Amino acid sequence: SQQGEEDPQALSIQEGENATMNCSYKTSINNLQWYRQNSGRGLVHLILIRSNEREKHSGRLRVTLDTSKKSSSLLITASRAADTASYFCATGSGNTPLVFGKGTRLSVIA
Amino acid sequence: DTAVSQTPKYLVTQMGNDKSIKCEQNLGHDTMYWYKQDSKKFLKIMFSYNNKELIINETVPNRFSPKSPDKAHLNLHINSLELGDSAVYFCASSQGALKNIQYFGAGTRLSVL
Repeated sequence: SQQGEEDPQALSIQEGENATMNCSYKTSINNLQWYRQNSGRGLVHLILIRSNEREKHSGRLRVTLDTSKKSSSLLITASRAADTASYFCATGSGNTPLVFGKGTRLSVIA
Repeated sequence: DTAVSQTPKYLVTQMGNDKSIKCEQNLGHDTMYWYKQDSKKFLKIMFSYNNKELIINETVPNRFSPKSPDKAHLNLHINSLELGDSAVYFCASSQGALKNIQYFGAGTRLSVL
């Protein structure tokens, strides 16, 4: 069954603005991952946050995890046109495969 | 070098035909996957192999048959193609536990006419 649900489904912002995407999930997890998919390409791993972590940074990316609310957010600061892509969260738990959400389509307008 | 490569990138075929998609990873990973991504971008796992052994077989028609000749290769053969099989198929690999980071191929866009 589907685990992660991203919100919003689509987001359009101006270059330089920050973009925030949210992910909610239903069951307990070991980790939550964010992936990016450019048009016509495969998914690329961005960042992994473990269930005992609350925040993680990687360059212009900031991920938070609230296990009590079963939610995570991905913040992209100072967005660029090259950030235009779909972003997926995926939850990892136990010995089961990652479960991906439906993604947020981000458009960054120059 | 491409870490996870799959061929072909595009596949256009008629209903009822049989086709194969090949995948190879040079990352030394022990686990490989096939995913189907539909027109709404929903990514659904189909199969997973660990060291050539099938470990995940989701509810997929038995017209789909994966084969792993060695842990670096995972191929997908599809018999009697149907219109509903049209989608993008992704191969991926990972090391160790199934919840670990996955590395994806560029995808194969299958169009069944």
